[in-house]
Amino acid sequence: DSGVTQTPKHLITATGQRVTLRCSPRSGDLSVYWYQQSLDQGLQFLIQYYNGEERAKGNILERFSAQQFPDLHSELNLSSLELGDSALYFCASSIGNEQFFGPGTRLTVL
Amino acid sequence: GIQVEQSPPDLILQEGANSTLRCNFSDSVNNLQWFHQNPWGQLINLFYIPSGTKQNGRLSATTVATERYSLLYISSSQTTDSGVYFCAGGDTGNQFYFGTGTSLTVIP
Repeated sequence: DSGVTQTPKHLITATGQRVTLRCSPRSGDLSVYWYQQSLDQGLQFLIQYYNGEERAKGNILERFSAQQFPDLHSELNLSSLELGDSALYFCASSIGNEQFFGPGTRLTVL
Repeated sequence: GIQVEQSPPDLILQEGANSTLRCNFSDSVNNLQWFHQNPWGQLINLFYIPSGTKQNGRLSATTVATERYSLLYISSSQTTDSGVYFCAGGDTGNQFYFGTGTSLTVIP
């Protein structure tokens, strides 16, 4: 158990819908990262937050957004969902450079 | 962005055999990690190894930062070692790049 929690574990929704994925980092970690793992794209970095501020942006679509709250938990919002958004979404946290991953949220878009 | 190449892409081992997995980076990375993704999808930290050599039980890793590669050694493999092994590293812009992984199957 890495200490990073993610909810929900599974999510099934329809095209065009909006969902929110939640992540709680390890106690004391200030950085939160979001990743997408799909069969065709592999593991891709989406975005990083550090103590509430956006720090780095990767291959995140405009339909996706994230934020980190004062209690350091983070949410990833995915809107106007498409079939191709079906993937495993990971959150990771760190206090230094070493990242620790949560168990992931498996999103299925039908 | 940084390209991360892992080899071999697939590996089948008899239980008890040893193996070496390699990770090459197209540019310098300021941090490097190895992960094991188990059959349930969980990403487990193996090593944080930006340079040098580390050992943890039957696993060890070596990173030669000046030549932009890292090696993961698995000795006396067990069926529980099966899964996908990823290396990943970050650039100066805080982007983090994963390789495409080595899929390992250990057969009894």
